[in-house]
Amino acid sequence: QKEVEQDPGPLSVPEGAIVSLNCTYSNSAFQYFMWYRQYSRKGPELLMYTYSSGNKEDGRFTAQVDKSSKYISLFIRDSQPSDSATYLCAMRPPGNTPLVFGKGTRLSVIA
Amino acid sequence: NAGVTQTPKFQVLKTGQSMTLQCAQDMNHNSMYWYRQDPGMGLRLIYYSASEGTTDKGEVPNGYNVSRLNKREFSLRLESAAPSQTSVYFCASSEAGVQETQYFGPGTRLLVL
Repeated sequence: QKEVEQDPGPLSVPEGAIVSLNCTYSNSAFQYFMWYRQYSRKGPELLMYTYSSGNKEDGRFTAQVDKSSKYISLFIRDSQPSDSATYLCAMRPPGNTPLVFGKGTRLSVIA
Repeated sequence: NAGVTQTPKFQVLKTGQSMTLQCAQDMNHNSMYWYRQDPGMGLRLIYYSASEGTTDKGEVPNGYNVSRLNKREFSLRLESAAPSQTSVYFCASSEAGVQETQYFGPGTRLLVL
């Protein structure tokens, strides 16, 4: 089992829809969670991060962590065509080792 | 601030040729990384440098070497390129250590014929 699982999609939604992107992880010791957005032919850029269980909101984006279920989500409200990108989750493993990334979910928002 | 810069943006090599991918960051970050990204495979860590003077293997180090030239620069060398190394290569850096948030460069697209 991979440490971090993320459905690759693609996910296609109409403009204005609520989007839910998810990752599951196997190691309960993961403790710091990030979402990156990657536009086509660009490098990933940090979108949001959260440390604890619960929700964190930033504009149209909400990051949710459920440590008991080892499940994290990114919700996008009122999705826009400009949100079309690949979204990668990332997590901090125990010990002094680099972040672990999900494979990314490709999202298309259709106008 | 330019952030993380990578050169070249695009390169075509023939099998067996060598080349060095350059990466520099101007954020005074301690840690730097090299990834490759292939369709369906996500980001795979090749090598990383936790701090100046140290380097460690990642998930897919075979066929690559790295040099942490100074705090700003981290290069990736392909000694004898193979078609399997056709990929998009990303450099990243993080401020305090390997468990911190990473900031990525724009990528280098490499085609090995």
